[in-house]
Amino acid sequence: AQKITQTQPGMFVQEKEAVTLDCTYDTSDPSYGLFWYKQPSSGEMIFLIYQGSYDQQNATEGRYSLNFQKARKSANLVISASQLGDSAMYFCAMRGSYGNNRLAFGKGNQVVVIP
Amino acid sequence: SQTIHQWPATLVQPVGSPLSLECTVEGTSNPNLYWYRQAAGRGLQLLFYSVGIGQISSEVPQNLSASRPQDRQFILSSKKLLLSDSGFYLCAWSVLSGTYNSPLHFGNGTRLTVT
Repeated sequence: AQKITQTQPGMFVQEKEAVTLDCTYDTSDPSYGLFWYKQPSSGEMIFLIYQGSYDQQNATEGRYSLNFQKARKSANLVISASQLGDSAMYFCAMRGSYGNNRLAFGKGNQVVVIP
Repeated sequence: SQTIHQWPATLVQPVGSPLSLECTVEGTSNPNLYWYRQAAGRGLQLLFYSVGIGQISSEVPQNLSASRPQDRQFILSSKKLLLSDSGFYLCAWSVLSGTYNSPLHFGNGTRLTVT
């Protein structure tokens, strides 16, 4: 079974600054994928970025990058040049190679961008 | 491109009444389909997933059920709602099983309040 841990309290970040959201995970699967989702106040879950367990390079998607440290089992999300529209809950999630293809979620990090 | 539709967006139902939430996917065939529930301020809990028509797996014992009458249609039901069924219900799809590197794509969700 996969376990995702997000323990940071709510974060305030100044517009145009970078913010790092922590995520640690635990799994016995030899291969797995790590995902980050954004959930604004409207409720929809928006897929942001993916990192495979065997990927040699850290994933990047626009202003989003993933700091993947496999030995430490961490997959932190970095949002650069924060914008007001980045205010949302952010969820780290994992999908393993075994089992039923479920996507297991952490409890999320709240980010508020202030002007 | 693929799209996922979920309705209704909001629903207020009395305790003991039935429930039917519907989700349809367009632009893809043989998707994996999922129902998640998110309690207020919490992470997402997987309720059901399906890898094909008529194939439903339940993750959490409860008074909810799911059905997949067509390839791209997924329905969440209850015969008698409980107060504890209140929450935000999200339908999602992904490519067919075997690919841990595929993200789940979510609908806009249904906010259910049981009174």
